Amino acid sequence: AQSVTQLDSQVPVFEEAPVELRCNYSSSVSVYLFWYVQYPNQGLQLLLKYLSGSTLVKGINGFEAEFNKSQTSFHLRKPSVHISDTAEYFCAVIQGFGNEKLTFGTGTRLTIIP
Amino acid sequence: EAGVVQSPRYKIIEKKQPVAFWCNPISGHNTLYWYRQNLGQGPELLIRYENEEAVDDSQLPKDRFSAERLKGVDSTLKIQPAELGDSAVYLCASSRRGEGTTEAFFGQGTRLTVV
Repeated sequence: AQSVTQLDSQVPVFEEAPVELRCNYSSSVSVYLFWYVQYPNQGLQLLLKYLSGSTLVKGINGFEAEFNKSQTSFHLRKPSVHISDTAEYFCAVIQGFGNEKLTFGTGTRLTIIP
Repeated sequence: EAGVVQSPRYKIIEKKQPVAFWCNPISGHNTLYWYRQNLGQGPELLIRYENEEAVDDSQLPKDRFSAERLKGVDSTLKIQPAELGDSAVYLCASSRRGEGTTEAFFGQGTRLTVV
Protein backbone atom coordinates (compact mmCIF):
# COMPACT_ATOMS: atom_id res chain seq x y z
CA ALA A 1 0.00 0.00 0.00
CA GLN A 2 1.16 3.48 -0.73
CA SER A 3 1.60 5.97 2.09
CA VAL A 4 2.80 9.49 2.51
CA THR A 5 4.56 10.91 5.55
CA GLN A 6 4.79 14.59 6.27
CA LEU A 7 7.28 14.84 9.08
CA ASP A 8 6.32 18.28 10.36
CA SER A 9 2.77 19.09 11.41
CA GLN A 10 3.57 22.77 11.92
CA VAL A 11 6.33 24.98 10.53
CA PRO A 12 6.69 28.61 11.67
CA VAL A 13 8.92 30.76 9.44
CA PHE A 14 9.81 34.43 9.44
CA GLU A 15 8.69 36.44 6.46
CA GLU A 16 11.25 36.50 3.61
CA ALA A 17 13.08 33.49 5.07
CA PRO A 18 13.42 30.23 3.12
CA VAL A 19 11.28 27.22 3.95
CA GLU A 20 11.34 23.49 3.30
CA LEU A 21 8.36 21.23 3.94
CA ARG A 22 9.27 17.58 4.05
CA CYS A 23 7.48 14.68 2.41
CA ASN A 24 8.43 11.04 2.21
CA TYR A 25 6.55 8.27 0.50
CA SER A 26 6.62 4.51 0.51
CA SER A 27 6.16 2.60 -2.71
CA SER A 28 7.86 -0.21 -4.57
CA VAL A 29 6.64 0.93 -7.98
CA SER A 30 6.68 4.14 -9.92
CA VAL A 31 4.91 7.06 -8.31
CA TYR A 32 3.48 10.38 -9.25
CA LEU A 33 3.86 13.07 -6.62
CA PHE A 34 1.89 16.21 -5.88
CA TRP A 35 1.84 19.15 -3.51
CA TYR A 36 -1.47 20.82 -2.78
CA VAL A 37 -2.13 23.98 -0.77
CA GLN A 38 -5.28 24.63 1.25
CA TYR A 39 -6.09 28.15 2.40
CA PRO A 40 -8.54 28.57 5.30
CA ASN A 41 -12.05 27.44 4.41
CA GLN A 42 -11.02 26.62 0.87
CA GLY A 43 -10.57 23.51 -1.21
CA LEU A 44 -7.20 22.18 -2.29
CA GLN A 45 -5.22 23.84 -5.04
CA LEU A 46 -2.41 22.14 -6.93
CA LEU A 47 1.00 23.74 -6.36
CA LEU A 48 3.08 21.39 -8.48
CA LYS A 49 3.40 17.80 -9.62
CA TYR A 50 6.06 15.33 -10.62
CA LEU A 51 5.10 12.80 -13.27
CA SER A 52 8.41 12.11 -15.02
CA GLY A 53 11.47 13.84 -16.42
CA SER A 54 13.43 16.45 -14.53
CA THR A 55 13.49 15.77 -10.81
CA LEU A 56 13.28 19.48 -9.99
CA VAL A 57 9.74 20.69 -10.45
CA LYS A 58 8.66 24.31 -10.36
CA GLY A 59 5.16 25.28 -9.38
CA ILE A 60 3.01 28.29 -8.74
CA ASN A 61 3.71 31.06 -6.22
CA GLY A 62 7.49 30.52 -6.36
CA PHE A 63 7.43 27.01 -4.93
CA GLU A 64 9.54 24.13 -6.18
CA ALA A 65 10.08 20.51 -5.19
CA GLU A 66 12.70 17.90 -5.87
CA PHE A 67 11.96 14.24 -6.45
CA ASN A 68 14.62 12.06 -4.86
CA LYS A 69 14.03 8.42 -5.69
CA SER A 70 16.84 7.05 -3.51
CA GLN A 71 15.56 8.97 -0.50
CA THR A 72 11.90 8.42 -1.46
CA SER A 73 11.32 12.10 -0.81
CA PHE A 74 9.58 15.01 -2.47
CA HIS A 75 10.36 18.05 -0.31
CA LEU A 76 8.76 21.39 -1.07
CA ARG A 77 10.85 24.56 -0.96
CA LYS A 78 10.53 28.30 -1.35
CA PRO A 79 13.51 30.65 -1.11
CA SER A 80 11.59 33.55 0.41
CA VAL A 81 8.13 33.26 1.95
CA HIS A 82 5.40 35.84 2.15
CA ILE A 83 2.57 36.35 4.60
CA SER A 84 0.16 35.10 1.95
CA ASP A 85 1.87 31.69 2.01
CA THR A 86 0.25 30.95 5.37
CA ALA A 87 -1.79 27.81 4.67
CA GLU A 88 -1.92 24.04 5.03
CA TYR A 89 0.25 22.09 2.61
CA PHE A 90 -0.45 18.50 1.61
CA CYS A 91 1.82 16.06 -0.13
CA ALA A 92 0.06 13.36 -2.16
CA VAL A 93 0.99 10.33 -4.23
CA ILE A 94 -0.46 8.18 -6.98
CA GLN A 95 1.12 4.76 -7.30
CA GLY A 96 1.52 3.27 -10.73
CA PHE A 97 0.53 4.37 -14.19
CA GLY A 98 -3.22 4.54 -14.81
CA ASN A 99 -4.08 4.45 -11.11
CA GLU A 100 -6.07 7.55 -10.24
CA LYS A 101 -6.19 7.02 -6.47
CA LEU A 102 -4.64 10.06 -4.81
CA THR A 103 -3.36 9.39 -1.27
CA PHE A 104 -2.61 12.37 0.96
CA GLY A 105 -0.27 12.98 3.85
CA THR A 106 -1.52 14.51 7.08
CA GLY A 107 -0.49 18.02 6.11
CA THR A 108 1.92 20.70 7.30
CA ARG A 109 0.64 24.00 8.60
CA LEU A 110 2.92 26.78 7.44
CA THR A 111 2.73 29.94 9.53
CA ILE A 112 4.56 33.04 8.38
CA ILE A 113 5.75 35.33 11.15
CA PRO A 114 5.90 39.04 10.22
CA GLU B 1 -14.21 27.65 -16.94
CA ALA B 2 -16.18 26.99 -13.77
CA GLY B 3 -14.49 24.89 -11.13
CA VAL B 4 -15.91 22.04 -9.09
CA VAL B 5 -19.05 23.26 -7.35
CA GLN B 6 -20.24 21.82 -4.08
CA SER B 7 -23.28 22.58 -1.98
CA PRO B 8 -24.04 23.33 0.69
CA ARG B 9 -20.87 24.94 2.07
CA TYR B 10 -21.91 24.32 5.64
CA LYS B 11 -24.38 21.96 7.27
CA ILE B 12 -25.29 21.44 10.91
CA ILE B 13 -27.53 18.51 11.78
CA GLU B 14 -28.48 16.49 14.81
CA LYS B 15 -27.17 12.96 15.10
CA LYS B 16 -29.33 10.26 13.57
CA GLN B 17 -30.60 12.68 10.93
CA PRO B 18 -29.91 12.21 7.21
CA VAL B 19 -27.78 14.60 5.18
CA ALA B 20 -26.84 14.89 1.52
CA PHE B 21 -24.06 16.70 -0.30
CA TRP B 22 -24.07 17.63 -3.95
CA CYS B 23 -21.18 18.01 -6.39
CA ASN B 24 -21.02 19.34 -9.93
CA PRO B 25 -17.64 18.49 -11.50
CA ILE B 26 -15.81 20.42 -14.17
CA SER B 27 -17.39 19.93 -17.58
CA GLY B 28 -15.78 17.07 -19.47
CA HIS B 29 -14.20 15.48 -16.40
CA ASN B 30 -15.13 11.84 -16.28
CA THR B 31 -13.46 10.98 -12.97
CA LEU B 32 -15.11 12.17 -9.78
CA TYR B 33 -13.88 11.68 -6.21
CA TRP B 34 -15.41 12.15 -2.78
CA TYR B 35 -12.93 12.71 0.03
CA ARG B 36 -13.47 13.19 3.75
CA GLN B 37 -11.12 15.45 5.66
CA ASN B 38 -11.16 15.23 9.43
CA LEU B 39 -9.85 18.12 11.47
CA GLY B 40 -6.07 18.29 11.30
CA GLN B 41 -5.84 15.44 8.81
CA GLY B 42 -5.31 14.98 5.11
CA PRO B 43 -8.22 14.07 2.83
CA GLU B 44 -9.14 10.39 2.70
CA LEU B 45 -10.80 8.88 -0.34
CA LEU B 46 -14.35 7.64 0.17
CA ILE B 47 -15.31 6.78 -3.39
CA ARG B 48 -14.11 7.29 -6.96
CA TYR B 49 -16.23 7.25 -10.09
CA GLU B 50 -15.23 6.72 -13.68
CA ASN B 51 -18.24 8.17 -15.50
CA GLU B 52 -21.24 6.64 -13.70
CA GLU B 53 -19.38 3.59 -12.39
CA ALA B 54 -18.00 3.46 -8.86
CA VAL B 55 -14.55 1.94 -9.43
CA ASP B 56 -13.20 2.32 -5.88
CA ASP B 57 -15.56 2.43 -2.90
CA SER B 58 -13.50 0.31 -0.55
CA GLN B 59 -13.26 3.12 2.04
CA LEU B 60 -16.94 4.04 1.97
CA PRO B 61 -18.79 2.98 5.15
CA LYS B 62 -21.61 1.31 3.31
CA ASP B 63 -23.83 0.81 6.33
CA ARG B 64 -24.63 4.50 6.46
CA PHE B 65 -23.01 6.15 3.45
CA SER B 66 -24.23 5.99 -0.12
CA ALA B 67 -23.32 7.82 -3.28
CA GLU B 68 -24.57 8.07 -6.81
CA ARG B 69 -23.50 9.68 -10.03
CA LEU B 70 -26.40 9.55 -12.38
CA LYS B 71 -25.61 10.17 -16.05
CA GLY B 72 -21.94 10.40 -15.17
CA VAL B 73 -22.02 14.11 -14.30
CA ASP B 74 -23.31 15.40 -10.95
CA SER B 75 -22.91 13.33 -7.83
CA THR B 76 -24.62 13.09 -4.47
CA LEU B 77 -23.15 11.72 -1.25
CA LYS B 78 -25.59 10.76 1.48
CA ILE B 79 -25.23 9.83 5.12
CA GLN B 80 -28.12 8.18 6.91
CA PRO B 81 -28.16 8.24 9.85
CA ALA B 82 -25.39 10.67 10.72
CA GLU B 83 -23.17 10.09 13.76
CA LEU B 84 -21.10 12.52 15.78
CA GLY B 85 -17.92 11.09 14.24
CA ASP B 86 -19.10 12.07 10.77
CA SER B 87 -18.30 15.70 11.49
CA ALA B 88 -15.71 16.62 8.86
CA VAL B 89 -15.22 18.46 5.59
CA TYR B 90 -16.42 16.52 2.58
CA LEU B 91 -14.48 17.35 -0.56
CA CYS B 92 -15.42 16.58 -4.12
CA ALA B 93 -12.82 16.54 -6.89
CA SER B 94 -12.80 15.78 -10.57
CA SER B 95 -10.24 15.01 -13.25
CA ARG B 96 -10.16 14.12 -16.91
CA ARG B 97 -8.82 10.65 -17.42
CA GLY B 98 -6.63 10.51 -20.47
CA GLU B 99 -3.08 9.68 -21.32
CA GLY B 100 -1.03 9.50 -18.18
CA THR B 101 -2.02 10.79 -14.79
CA THR B 102 -3.92 14.02 -14.61
CA GLU B 103 -4.55 16.70 -12.04
CA ALA B 104 -7.53 16.50 -9.71
CA PHE B 105 -9.41 19.77 -9.16
CA PHE B 106 -11.13 20.22 -5.82
CA GLY B 107 -14.28 22.00 -4.77
CA GLN B 108 -14.44 24.18 -1.67
CA GLY B 109 -15.97 21.39 0.36
CA THR B 110 -18.95 20.98 2.63
CA ARG B 111 -18.27 21.35 6.33
CA LEU B 112 -20.56 19.00 8.22
CA THR B 113 -21.14 19.39 11.95
CA VAL B 114 -23.16 16.70 13.69
CA VAL B 115 -24.44 17.71 17.13
